[in-house]
Amino acid sequence: EVQLVESGGDLAQPGRSLRLSCVGSGLNFADYGFSWVRQIPGKGLEWVSGVAWNGGVTGYAASVRGRFIVSRDNAKNSLYLQMDSLRPDDTALYYCVKDRTGDTDGYFESWGQGTAVTVSS
Amino acid sequence: DVQMTQSPSSLSASIGDRVTITCQASQGISNRLNWYQQKPGKAPKLLIADASTLEAGVPARFSGSRSGTDFTLTISSLQPEDIGTYYCQQFDNLFSFGGGTKVDLK
Repeated sequence: EVQLVESGGDLAQPGRSLRLSCVGSGLNFADYGFSWVRQIPGKGLEWVSGVAWNGGVTGYAASVRGRFIVSRDNAKNSLYLQMDSLRPDDTALYYCVKDRTGDTDGYFESWGQGTAVTVSS
Repeated sequence: DVQMTQSPSSLSASIGDRVTITCQASQGISNRLNWYQQKPGKAPKLLIADASTLEAGVPARFSGSRSGTDFTLTISSLQPEDIGTYYCQQFDNLFSFGGGTKVDLK
């Protein structure tokens, strides 16, 4: 069974940084693309960023481009999201999501339980 | 950007009712449309891929269809375990979700 466990969510002041992590188990991590999807409590879903199997192809939503960086370490079965210049509207539950193939293909097959980020002074 | 307009935003139905949720894309996306179910306090679950292909283990009372840029998720006979919020998602141009439809019992 695929398990994705996120960590790193916290309370941060506007303008500060956070780094989210996601560790995968029950799968050959290096075979798959991964994305970060966020959800404001009680609201809808927003795709944030994605990375292909080898880290060579990445993508970002316009709302985070230039501030967030996605990366992965296949040797550690880990996905990361470096979040800089945080803003209050980044406040959300951040999910680590596995794609169906090695690309960020949009078939979000497996989801973690999320890690909460709150940006407030 | 592709905008996904989902309706209704919420609905109440009785057990056994037929439930229909629609999603309209702002431009053509072919069949590049998935549906997700999110139960309270849980992560979303992929329900239907490519507009009409049920994921393994999804009950046959769920179905999806497409007409041009309009997509429909139908539950033929609502069951108690179907309560939750449903989202459409396009993957033709990056990825974006509809606003969600909350389904509860009347």
